Amino acid sequence: GAVVSQHPSRVICKSGTSVKIECRSLDFQATTMFWYRQFPKQSLMLMATSNEGSKATYEQGVEKDKFLINHASLTLSTLTVTSAHPEDSSFYICSAEITVNTEAFFGQGTRLTVV
Amino acid sequence: KQEVTQIPAALSVPEGENLVLNCSFTDSAIYNLQWFRQDPGKGLTSLLLIQSSQREQTSGRLNASLDKSSGRSTLYIAASQPGDSATYLCAVKDSGYALNFGKGTSLLVTP
Repeated sequence: GAVVSQHPSRVICKSGTSVKIECRSLDFQATTMFWYRQFPKQSLMLMATSNEGSKATYEQGVEKDKFLINHASLTLSTLTVTSAHPEDSSFYICSAEITVNTEAFFGQGTRLTVV
Repeated sequence: KQEVTQIPAALSVPEGENLVLNCSFTDSAIYNLQWFRQDPGKGLTSLLLIQSSQREQTSGRLNASLDKSSGRSTLYIAASQPGDSATYLCAVKDSGYALNFGKGTSLLVTP
């Protein structure tokens, strides 16, 4: 299947700093990428839909000024957690599809710990 | 809003058993349904994708069925192995475009 690479896999940062997470589709172009968050023992919750060349669409309750998403090219989307706080500690994971409504491929995920 | 439920939440079986994981969803107007495997602290591995027009898909020891009208899917794992131990997630794609996930079934296969 297609490969989605997410980096870094783990990051520890101090409260108040910003962290950038990259999501790359390695062997296909992805017009749309999705960002999810997963808390322990919980399922994945959609945070936002990232569209190449346009603003991301955020789910209700997700602060767009805190979780900045940039989809600069057809193979790269980034999620920046600004002014991180301990409650932002979570598992963040991205996905992409080759075309609409086809198989979704996921990155390896990023474990963010804010201390 | 689409709600996806997976039963059971956890399952422990001895090696070699056949098992069935269940997934139900509330809105039958879906584009597709996908089963994933997630190992602890890891990302998701796609196992099977069933389009809305399909009834089932098979890959190796895995078979997934879809009954869209009743809002149900099952994942059948034949001859389970300890390496099958993981969390299995069911996700449906509906008109909202993104995937809606269940909470998963945590599977433990004991030697």
